[in-house]
Amino acid sequence: GAVVSQHPSWVICKSGTSVKIECRSLDFQATTMFWYRQFPKQSLMLMATSNEGSKATYEQGVEKDKFLINHASLTLSTLTVTSAHPEDSSFYICSARDLAGPSGNTIYFGEGSWLTVV
Amino acid sequence: QQQVKQSPQSLIVQKGGISIINCAYENTAFDYFPWYQQFPGKGPALLIAIRPDVSEKKEGRFTISFNKSAKQFSLHIMDSQPGDSATYFCAASKKAGSYQLTFGKGTKLSVIP
Repeated sequence: GAVVSQHPSWVICKSGTSVKIECRSLDFQATTMFWYRQFPKQSLMLMATSNEGSKATYEQGVEKDKFLINHASLTLSTLTVTSAHPEDSSFYICSARDLAGPSGNTIYFGEGSWLTVV
Repeated sequence: QQQVKQSPQSLIVQKGGISIINCAYENTAFDYFPWYQQFPGKGPALLIAIRPDVSEKKEGRFTISFNKSAKQFSLHIMDSQPGDSATYFCAASKKAGSYQLTFGKGTKLSVIP
């Protein structure tokens, strides 16, 4: 089946630094990718929708200058958490839409990235 | 406003039993309804999905039942196993636009021996 790879799986960074998380679709082209944040024992919270070659669409309440999203190719989207603070510590998950999938809009998720800001 | 309501929040089932998780939606523009399985510390994995033109879809021990008029759909896990213990999310998306998923709040399933 389709695979979405996220890297790194976990990262620890110092407060004030920036961290980049990569999301790759390994065996399909993804014109649309999504970035989520998930707190323990809670559902996924959509942060932004990333479209290849255009600016990301951010959900209400998500700071676009803090969470920079770049979708420069059909297989790669990146999320950069700028000037990270401890409250940014969370589980970040990306997903990618496979247009050629069984339903034309099958969405596959990456394994997630644990970010801890100390 | 929560567009996809999922219940129960948690579920304990004995090994070999049937696990049933229910979801209800409000937006009639939704036309794709997937279920995802998530283990702790991992990303969600697509389990099974259904479109509103069918009332039931079965894949192995997993079955989705869909009731369009009631705007409800459910996941049935037959012969539940301890390895099925995970959090299950129902979701819905529209055909138009970005196809972004609207998730339910999740159900933590524990299958006990």
